[in-house]
Amino acid sequence: GESVGLHLPTLSVQEGDNSIINCAYSNSASDYFIWYKQESGKGPQFIIDIRSNMDKRQGQRVTVLLNKTVKHLSLQIAATQPGDSAVYFCAERSGGGADGLTFGKGTHLIIQP
Amino acid sequence: NAGVTQTPKFQVLKTGQSMTLQCAQDMNHNSMYWYRQDPGMGLRLIYYSASEGTTDKGEVPNGYNVSRLNKREFSLRLESAAPSQTSVYFCASRFAGLETQYFGPGTRLLVL
Repeated sequence: GESVGLHLPTLSVQEGDNSIINCAYSNSASDYFIWYKQESGKGPQFIIDIRSNMDKRQGQRVTVLLNKTVKHLSLQIAATQPGDSAVYFCAERSGGGADGLTFGKGTHLIIQP
Repeated sequence: NAGVTQTPKFQVLKTGQSMTLQCAQDMNHNSMYWYRQDPGMGLRLIYYSASEGTTDKGEVPNGYNVSRLNKREFSLRLESAAPSQTSVYFCASRFAGLETQYFGPGTRLLVL
């Protein structure tokens, strides 16, 4: 089954509100996690990443939280804007020298005016 | 920099036909990857190349071959296309020592 998954396939938020997109992973050996944004018809675009030795990392309007105890990852987007509408994927890199990323199924973020 | 480029953007094939998807990056990255994305799914790794001259299988390699032509280029070949290979194919690359992978715009393939 999927090593990395998302709790909700679709998330609808009001413009200006904060968005929280969740992700669960099952591989405790994963040492790196990353969030991508994918707009319709385009390739995934890097948003923010975090290593397993951290529990929080902030970027511009985005924050990633990592809870290794419950194997949970979240992406918080502050003051959501229409341009944030996209599918958001979390991905993990397993430890042990394995290459490539394992992706979740994605959450479609819809911004209501 | 153009980043990661892919050709063609769209392709329609008949079952049994062959084709090669091209990928190039101008960021001097060491590692390159091919993923496929199916509706409602995340991306799945087909093959990757950690450096020029090396390739390794990913999660779903069956029906595909790859060539790391040089440091810039990594091609994906379908020798005998099947309808199950209808998908969107993404190429990605990353710099050695850094984890972030950068993706191309994708190739949309339809196999009839």
